[in-house]
Amino acid sequence: GAGVSQTPSNKVTEKGKYVELRCDPISGHTALYWYRQSLGQGPEFLIYFQGTGAADDSGLPNDRFFAVRPEGSVSTLKIQRTERGDSAVYLCASSLTRWLAGGAEYEQFFGPGTRLTVL
Amino acid sequence: AQKITQTQPGMFVQEKEAVTLDCTYDTSDQSYGLFWYKQPSSGEMIFLIYQGSYDEQNATEGRYSLNFQKARKSANLVISASQLGDSAMYFCAMRENNQGGKLIFGQGTELSVKP
Repeated sequence: GAGVSQTPSNKVTEKGKYVELRCDPISGHTALYWYRQSLGQGPEFLIYFQGTGAADDSGLPNDRFFAVRPEGSVSTLKIQRTERGDSAVYLCASSLTRWLAGGAEYEQFFGPGTRLTVL
Repeated sequence: AQKITQTQPGMFVQEKEAVTLDCTYDTSDQSYGLFWYKQPSSGEMIFLIYQGSYDEQNATEGRYSLNFQKARKSANLVISASQLGDSAMYFCAMRENNQGGKLIFGQGTELSVKP
C-alpha cells in the first residue's frame, strides 16, 4: 500500500516568509509525528498527534511553529516568519495507535521528508 | 541530558563481515522501546529492528540483531554478512512509553561497507 507522503519535496523561501509543509499518513494510522533533521544530526521531535489533537507539542521550538490535523488524517506544519536557522529536512511519520500490544505495531513509518531552505 | 548516545560517528567494515554499531541510552522509565533506523543517502528512514524493555530475548530481523544489555543500558545493532547496500547512516532511537509515541534519536553512525 501507499506509504507516508510529504509535499513539497523541496521548498526554498526567503527569510520572513510563511511556509506550509504537508504530510499524508498511511491510511488508518491514527498517530502522526513531525520531526526536524538538521544536517549531520539525528531527527528531533517536534509534535505528535493522536487523531485530531496534538498529544505532545513539547518539541516545537517557538510560537512561529504550528501544526494542525483537522480531520485526523492529513497534517500541515506551518512556519511563520521563517529564519535561516529553520533550514532543515522536516520528516513526518505515522503509526498505528500506541495502545496496541506488541513491538511491531509501534513502528513509525517515515515519509521522504521536505527539505526546507530559508535564504 | 542526552538520552541516546552513539559514540561512533563513522565505521568501516569489509563486505561479508559482521559489524556492531554502539548505542547507549538513559532513562528512568521501566517501560520503553528501542529502535534502529537506517537512512541511506536518499534520505528515507527505514525501520530495521525493535526491542521492548520487557523483552527477555534479543530481537532479530534477518541479518540484523539487537544486543540488548539492560543493566548497562546498551542496545547495540549487529549487522551480519555486510553488503555494499548497507552503507548508510544508522540511528538508534528510544521511546519512553509514558511520554507518548515520540522517538528520541541519537546522532547517528555512518557505516561504509568496503568491497
